[in-house]
Amino acid sequence: KQEVTQIPAALSVPEGENLVLNCSFTDSAIYNLQWFRQDPGKGLTSLLLIQSSQREQTSGRLNASLDKSSGRSTLYIAASQPGDSATYLCAVPQGSTLGRLYFGRGTQLTVWP
Amino acid sequence: GAVVSQHPSRVICKSGTSVKIECRSLDFQATTMFWYRQFPKQSLMLMATSNEGSKATYEQGVEKDKFLINHASLTLSTLTVTSAHPEDSSFYICSATLSGSYEQYFGPGTRLTVT
Repeated sequence: KQEVTQIPAALSVPEGENLVLNCSFTDSAIYNLQWFRQDPGKGLTSLLLIQSSQREQTSGRLNASLDKSSGRSTLYIAASQPGDSATYLCAVPQGSTLGRLYFGRGTQLTVWP
Repeated sequence: GAVVSQHPSRVICKSGTSVKIECRSLDFQATTMFWYRQFPKQSLMLMATSNEGSKATYEQGVEKDKFLINHASLTLSTLTVTSAHPEDSSFYICSATLSGSYEQYFGPGTRLTVT
C-alpha cells in the first residue's frame, strides 16, 4: 500500500524567506503527484500537478519538483508571505484509477510578518 | 475554473439520526466524484468513488450501509451518514473530476458534529 509522508509537519518562518516542503512516497509507480493548499476548515485548492514524465512545474512563486526513482517531491515557495500560511498537502494516485488519491498529513505553514 | 460546492457547510445532529451531505459540480459535468473524510490533524482518507448512474465503490474498512452514496446526475452526488454516532464526527470533503482529466476539484467541505 502506498504511504505518503510529509516533512516537516509544521513550519514557522518570517516573511520573505524561501522555504522547501518535502513529500516522499513508498511506491514510485505513480502517474502524477499533486500539491494542494488547505486553509483552516476549508476544502483543498490545487496548486501544482506534475506528471510522471515531468521533473518540475512552476506557478508564480511556487516550484514543485518530482524525483520518481527516489520517491520524493519538493515544493519550493519563494519570498514567502503571510498569505501563504496554510496546510500544504501532497497526494499521489492510487494505482491507475484517475482521482483516487493517497494524501500525506500535510505541512502546516505559518508565515509571520 | 471548475467549481464544486457542498451543502451544508456545517451540521450538528444527535446520535442515531441520519445526515445528508450534497456535493455539486457547478459549471461542469462530473462523471466521477469522490468522498473523503478528514479527522483533526490527520490526512484526507478516501471513503468511496461515486460514478454517475452506478453503485459507489467503497474503500476497505468503509461501511457501505452506513455511508450511503448516490450519484443520480452528472452534477450531484450525495453522502448520507446513517445512524450517526459521535465517532462519525469529522470533516467530509468531496471532489469531482472532469472526464479523462487527472485534476480534481474539491468542495469546501462539511463539518459534521454528532452529539
